[in-house]
Amino acid sequence: DIQMTQSPSSVSASVGDRVTITCRASQAISSWLAWYQQKPGKAPKLLIYATSRLQSGVPSRFSGSGSGTDFTLTISSLQPEDFATYHCQQANSFPLTFGGGTKVEIK
Amino acid sequence: QVQLVESGGGLVKPGGSLRLSCAASGFTFSDYYMNWIRQAPGKGLEWVSYISSGSSSTNYADSVKGRFTISRDNAKNSLYLQMNSLRAEDTAVYYCARSISPSYHYVFDPWGQGTLVTVSS
Repeated sequence: DIQMTQSPSSVSASVGDRVTITCRASQAISSWLAWYQQKPGKAPKLLIYATSRLQSGVPSRFSGSGSGTDFTLTISSLQPEDFATYHCQQANSFPLTFGGGTKVEIK
Repeated sequence: QVQLVESGGGLVKPGGSLRLSCAASGFTFSDYYMNWIRQAPGKGLEWVSYISSGSSSTNYADSVKGRFTISRDNAKNSLYLQMNSLRAEDTAVYYCARSISPSYHYVFDPWGQGTLVTVSS
């Protein structure tokens, strides 16, 4: 199985800050990496797929990059509605696996 | 609009069975792969199973293989998860989720609101 490791597990940031979250795969997954945002008590919402493709309706302050085993999600200017937990997911091979999540908290 | 609504969750004793349903609307259900994904309380996301658009292909996480069965009825726009031999570690919110497009089968959007399954004596 491909293990997905996110770091940090939590980050405290202020509105307007640039936030970067990292996801590392235990083996190469090409560009088959997606990012989801989850708010408390709600279902996850897709932000980015295929490493860097923004899902329709997602603000452009979200961006993704990487390839192989190392990937990043960047929020260029954190907004109040961005405080949430972010999950990465590899879509390269079965079983499909998620990272442990990164909670973005208000500083 | 695209909508997925799960039902069927509840409290069940260890060793018991439960059948989850997911009603889809707002899109051509038969065109898309569908998935079940779960989240134990306070934990991360765990993919459980997928089924292809025509039901010819399925796959399961090792943790549920042999105990859970995914199925769909395209005429009823519905997805199902039959869960047998339930264990305490199966306690979670279960989400159904659609593949984002016929080209990206294993990326999920949208998700349903989830249904809670609690396995406890």
